[in-house]
Amino acid sequence: DVKVTQSSRYLVKRTGEKVFLECVQDMDHENMFWYRQDPGLGLRLIYFSYDVKMKEKGDIPEGYSVSREKKERFSLILESASTNQTSMYLCASSLGFQGTPAETQYFGPGTRLLVL
Amino acid sequence: GQNIDQPTEMTATEGAIVQINCTYQTSGFNGLFWYQQHAGEAPTFLSYNVLDGLEEKGRFSSFLSRSKGYSYLLLKELQMKDSASYLCAVMDSNYQLIWGAGTKLIIKP
Repeated sequence: DVKVTQSSRYLVKRTGEKVFLECVQDMDHENMFWYRQDPGLGLRLIYFSYDVKMKEKGDIPEGYSVSREKKERFSLILESASTNQTSMYLCASSLGFQGTPAETQYFGPGTRLLVL
Repeated sequence: GQNIDQPTEMTATEGAIVQINCTYQTSGFNGLFWYQQHAGEAPTFLSYNVLDGLEEKGRFSSFLSRSKGYSYLLLKELQMKDSASYLCAVMDSNYQLIWGAGTKLIIKP
Protein backbone atom coordinates (compact mmCIF):
# COMPACT_ATOMS: atom_id res chain seq x y z
CA ASP A 1 0.00 0.00 0.00
CA VAL A 2 1.11 3.50 -0.77
CA LYS A 3 1.76 5.51 2.31
CA VAL A 4 1.95 9.28 2.33
CA THR A 5 2.63 10.89 5.68
CA GLN A 6 2.53 14.50 6.75
CA SER A 7 4.44 15.90 9.67
CA SER A 8 1.51 17.35 11.58
CA ARG A 9 -2.27 16.88 11.66
CA TYR A 10 -2.89 20.24 13.30
CA LEU A 11 -0.81 23.41 13.51
CA VAL A 12 -1.43 26.80 15.06
CA LYS A 13 0.88 29.63 13.99
CA ARG A 14 0.98 33.39 14.31
CA THR A 15 0.88 35.89 11.47
CA GLY A 16 4.36 36.46 10.08
CA GLU A 17 5.82 33.15 11.22
CA LYS A 18 7.66 30.89 8.81
CA VAL A 19 5.87 27.56 8.56
CA PHE A 20 7.22 24.24 7.31
CA LEU A 21 4.93 21.40 6.25
CA GLU A 22 6.65 18.11 5.53
CA CYS A 23 5.42 15.26 3.36
CA VAL A 24 7.02 11.85 2.87
CA GLN A 25 5.97 9.01 0.55
CA ASP A 26 7.35 5.50 0.71
CA MET A 27 6.51 4.12 -2.77
CA ASP A 28 9.26 5.64 -4.90
CA HIS A 29 6.76 7.88 -6.69
CA GLU A 30 8.10 10.41 -9.16
CA ASN A 31 5.43 13.05 -8.70
CA MET A 32 4.49 14.94 -5.58
CA PHE A 33 1.90 17.66 -5.06
CA TRP A 34 0.76 20.19 -2.50
CA TYR A 35 -2.88 21.30 -2.41
CA ARG A 36 -5.01 23.39 -0.17
CA GLN A 37 -8.64 22.59 0.46
CA ASP A 38 -11.17 25.16 1.59
CA PRO A 39 -14.93 24.73 2.15
CA GLY A 40 -16.96 25.05 -1.04
CA LEU A 41 -13.89 25.00 -3.28
CA GLY A 42 -12.20 22.20 -5.12
CA LEU A 43 -8.67 21.19 -4.29
CA ARG A 44 -6.33 23.92 -5.46
CA LEU A 45 -2.82 23.07 -6.55
CA ILE A 46 -0.07 25.13 -4.93
CA TYR A 47 3.09 23.48 -6.26
CA PHE A 48 4.12 20.17 -7.73
CA SER A 49 7.31 18.33 -8.52
CA TYR A 50 8.10 15.70 -11.15
CA ASP A 51 11.63 15.00 -9.97
CA VAL A 52 14.16 15.70 -7.28
CA LYS A 53 15.14 19.37 -7.09
CA MET A 54 12.47 20.17 -9.64
CA LYS A 55 9.38 22.26 -8.88
CA GLU A 56 6.55 23.79 -10.84
CA LYS A 57 4.01 26.40 -9.81
CA GLY A 58 0.41 25.35 -9.59
CA ASP A 59 -2.64 27.58 -9.62
CA ILE A 60 -2.01 29.45 -6.36
CA PRO A 61 1.74 29.59 -5.59
CA GLU A 62 1.79 33.11 -4.13
CA GLY A 63 3.02 33.15 -0.54
CA TYR A 64 4.39 29.61 -0.74
CA SER A 65 7.60 27.89 -1.72
CA VAL A 66 8.63 24.25 -1.86
CA SER A 67 11.69 22.07 -1.57
CA ARG A 68 12.39 18.60 -2.91
CA GLU A 69 15.91 17.57 -1.96
CA LYS A 70 15.10 13.85 -1.86
CA LYS A 71 12.70 11.84 -3.99
CA GLU A 72 10.55 10.77 -1.07
CA ARG A 73 10.22 14.16 0.61
CA PHE A 74 8.39 17.29 -0.50
CA SER A 75 8.22 20.29 1.79
CA LEU A 76 5.86 23.24 1.64
CA ILE A 77 7.05 26.51 3.14
CA LEU A 78 4.93 29.49 4.08
CA GLU A 79 7.51 32.28 4.13
CA SER A 80 5.41 34.63 6.25
CA ALA A 81 2.12 33.12 7.34
CA SER A 82 -1.03 35.17 6.92
CA THR A 83 -4.57 34.59 8.15
CA ASN A 84 -5.79 33.85 4.61
CA GLN A 85 -3.50 30.83 4.58
CA THR A 86 -5.61 29.15 7.24
CA SER A 87 -6.66 25.99 5.47
CA MET A 88 -6.35 22.23 5.15
CA TYR A 89 -3.13 21.32 3.33
CA LEU A 90 -2.97 18.03 1.50
CA CYS A 91 0.11 16.37 0.08
CA ALA A 92 -0.20 13.75 -2.67
CA SER A 93 2.05 11.56 -4.78
CA SER A 94 1.66 9.60 -8.00
CA LEU A 95 3.75 7.06 -9.86
CA GLY A 96 4.44 9.33 -12.80
CA PHE A 97 3.56 7.78 -16.14
CA GLN A 98 1.47 10.36 -17.90
CA GLY A 99 -1.93 9.47 -19.20
CA THR A 100 -2.40 6.18 -17.40
CA PRO A 101 -4.13 5.15 -14.21
CA ALA A 102 -0.65 5.43 -12.71
CA GLU A 103 -1.47 9.11 -12.46
CA THR A 104 -3.76 8.21 -9.60
CA GLN A 105 -2.81 10.45 -6.75
CA TYR A 106 -2.45 9.13 -3.21
CA PHE A 107 -3.00 11.58 -0.41
CA GLY A 108 -1.57 12.12 3.01
CA PRO A 109 -3.89 12.69 6.00
CA GLY A 110 -3.68 16.46 5.70
CA THR A 111 -2.50 19.25 7.95
CA ARG A 112 -5.09 21.64 9.29
CA LEU A 113 -3.30 24.97 9.71
CA LEU A 114 -4.71 27.85 11.70
CA VAL A 115 -2.94 31.21 11.40
CA LEU A 116 -3.84 33.69 14.13
CA GLY B 1 -11.76 28.54 -18.41
CA GLN B 2 -11.75 25.07 -16.96
CA ASN B 3 -14.72 24.02 -14.90
CA ILE B 4 -16.01 20.97 -13.05
CA ASP B 5 -19.59 21.01 -11.77
CA GLN B 6 -21.14 18.63 -9.30
CA PRO B 7 -24.01 19.05 -6.82
CA THR B 8 -23.05 20.45 -3.45
CA GLU B 9 -25.03 18.01 -1.36
CA MET B 10 -27.24 14.96 -1.76
CA THR B 11 -29.26 12.87 0.68
CA ALA B 12 -30.13 9.20 0.29
CA THR B 13 -31.48 6.33 2.35
CA GLU B 14 -29.54 3.34 3.61
CA GLY B 15 -29.92 0.43 1.20
CA ALA B 16 -30.94 2.62 -1.73
CA ILE B 17 -29.08 3.69 -4.89
CA VAL B 18 -27.70 7.18 -5.54
CA GLN B 19 -26.18 8.75 -8.65
CA ILE B 20 -23.74 11.66 -8.31
CA ASN B 21 -23.27 13.62 -11.52
CA CYS B 22 -20.24 15.52 -12.72
CA THR B 23 -20.01 17.74 -15.81
CA TYR B 24 -16.79 19.21 -17.04
CA GLN B 25 -15.29 21.68 -19.47
CA THR B 26 -11.53 21.36 -19.68
CA SER B 27 -8.63 22.00 -22.01
CA GLY B 28 -8.25 18.48 -23.30
CA PHE B 29 -9.06 15.25 -21.56
CA ASN B 30 -6.79 12.51 -20.23
CA GLY B 31 -9.14 10.73 -17.87
CA LEU B 32 -11.63 11.35 -15.09
CA PHE B 33 -11.17 10.32 -11.48
CA TRP B 34 -13.58 9.88 -8.60
CA TYR B 35 -12.33 10.12 -5.03
CA GLN B 36 -14.07 9.59 -1.71
CA GLN B 37 -13.29 11.83 1.25
CA HIS B 38 -14.63 11.21 4.73
CA ALA B 39 -14.85 14.25 6.98
CA GLY B 40 -11.44 15.28 8.28
CA GLU B 41 -9.63 12.65 6.24
CA ALA B 42 -7.66 12.49 3.00
CA PRO B 43 -9.31 11.74 -0.36
CA THR B 44 -9.00 8.11 -1.43
CA PHE B 45 -9.14 6.86 -5.01
CA LEU B 46 -12.37 5.21 -6.18
CA SER B 47 -12.29 5.01 -9.97
CA TYR B 48 -10.69 6.13 -13.22
CA ASN B 49 -12.43 6.42 -16.62
CA VAL B 50 -10.72 7.36 -19.86
CA LEU B 51 -13.01 5.61 -22.39
CA ASP B 52 -16.76 6.00 -22.75
CA GLY B 53 -18.91 3.57 -20.85
CA LEU B 54 -19.49 2.07 -17.47
CA GLU B 55 -16.81 0.74 -15.12
CA GLU B 56 -18.12 -1.40 -12.29
CA LYS B 57 -16.27 -2.08 -9.07
CA GLY B 58 -18.36 -3.79 -6.45
CA ARG B 59 -21.12 -1.53 -5.16
CA PHE B 60 -19.63 1.45 -7.00
CA SER B 61 -19.81 2.13 -10.74
CA SER B 62 -18.57 5.09 -12.76
CA PHE B 63 -19.81 6.17 -16.17
CA LEU B 64 -18.21 8.49 -18.72
CA SER B 65 -19.46 10.22 -21.86
CA ARG B 66 -16.63 12.27 -23.37
CA SER B 67 -18.84 13.79 -26.08
CA LYS B 68 -21.17 15.18 -23.42
CA GLY B 69 -18.46 16.10 -20.91
CA TYR B 70 -20.34 14.07 -18.34
CA SER B 71 -19.71 11.42 -15.75
CA TYR B 72 -21.60 9.89 -12.89
CA LEU B 73 -20.76 7.80 -9.88
CA LEU B 74 -23.38 5.23 -8.96
CA LEU B 75 -23.47 3.84 -5.44
CA LYS B 76 -25.67 0.80 -4.77
CA GLU B 77 -26.87 -0.78 -1.53
CA LEU B 78 -25.92 2.33 0.37
CA GLN B 79 -24.36 1.90 3.78
CA MET B 80 -23.96 4.45 6.55
CA LYS B 81 -20.20 4.37 5.99
CA ASP B 82 -20.78 5.77 2.48
CA SER B 83 -21.55 9.13 4.07
CA ALA B 84 -18.70 11.23 2.70
CA SER B 85 -17.81 13.78 0.08
CA TYR B 86 -17.25 12.53 -3.46
CA LEU B 87 -14.78 14.45 -5.57
CA CYS B 88 -14.73 14.47 -9.36
CA ALA B 89 -11.43 15.40 -11.04
CA VAL B 90 -10.45 15.62 -14.71
CA MET B 91 -6.92 15.36 -16.08
CA ASP B 92 -6.45 17.99 -18.75
CA SER B 93 -4.16 18.10 -21.78
CA ASN B 94 -1.22 19.12 -19.57
CA TYR B 95 -1.86 16.11 -17.30
CA GLN B 96 -2.96 18.43 -14.52
CA LEU B 97 -5.92 17.45 -12.37
CA ILE B 98 -8.83 19.88 -12.28
CA TRP B 99 -10.98 19.26 -9.22
CA GLY B 100 -14.66 19.76 -8.57
CA ALA B 101 -15.74 21.16 -5.19
CA GLY B 102 -17.15 17.80 -4.16
CA THR B 103 -20.59 16.41 -3.39
CA LYS B 104 -21.42 15.80 0.25
CA LEU B 105 -23.51 12.63 0.47
CA ILE B 106 -25.66 12.19 3.57
CA ILE B 107 -27.05 8.71 4.24
CA LYS B 108 -30.12 8.43 6.45
CA PRO B 109 -31.25 5.22 8.17
